[in-house]
Amino acid sequence: NAGVTQTPKFRVLKTGQSMTLLCAQDMNHEYMYWYRQDPGMGLRLIHYSVGEGTTAKGEVPDGYNVSRLKKQNFLLGLESAAPSQTSVYFCASQGVPYEQYFGPGTRLTVT
Amino acid sequence: DAKTTQPNSMESNEEEPVHLPCNHSTISGTDYIHWYRQLPSQGPEYVIHGLTSNVNNRMASLAIAEDRKSSTLILHRATLRDAAVYYCIQANDYKLSFGAGTTVTVRA
Repeated sequence: NAGVTQTPKFRVLKTGQSMTLLCAQDMNHEYMYWYRQDPGMGLRLIHYSVGEGTTAKGEVPDGYNVSRLKKQNFLLGLESAAPSQTSVYFCASQGVPYEQYFGPGTRLTVT
Repeated sequence: DAKTTQPNSMESNEEEPVHLPCNHSTISGTDYIHWYRQLPSQGPEYVIHGLTSNVNNRMASLAIAEDRKSSTLILHRATLRDAAVYYCIQANDYKLSFGAGTTVTVRA
């Protein structure tokens, strides 16, 4: 099993550009999450999904949209990137209660 | 906002035990205590979780105070690979809130 994979690993965007981050899991998990982590800080929840076709806002949802069209994929979109969205983005999935599996992260820089 | 309090950093020698404290004075009866760790340049990794009783697994032990207002994560024999940021999280559902955690340094 690959576990949780994230695409791309690195990306540089100019202010105002858009992009989509892809998260995929092969563990048949129902719950999936997107977090961001700024330097020296803990992770903050952006959006999450409790099953295919569902999404919900987390702690810091502004400026992001998500979709969960297939159970194994959770997409995070930035419609108009801003420098404040420079961060490392982590995706996670959860099957067994309370044990989340994280991907390796995507490092995004917005100039 | 994170609801737990942890020291910013701790140091340990290799092959010695590490005791990581966590205060969660606002914990409710349905809140679990979760521990995750994050190695450098990686995503967080699940370590252990518990509700009331002490818990053991292959990675660590979790000792929970009788009043549940504090807990201690115990790494029995630290290795260099255990150098990481350790997060103590109080949560009663599937949404976790990460604070700044405790940075553990292991000296060879």
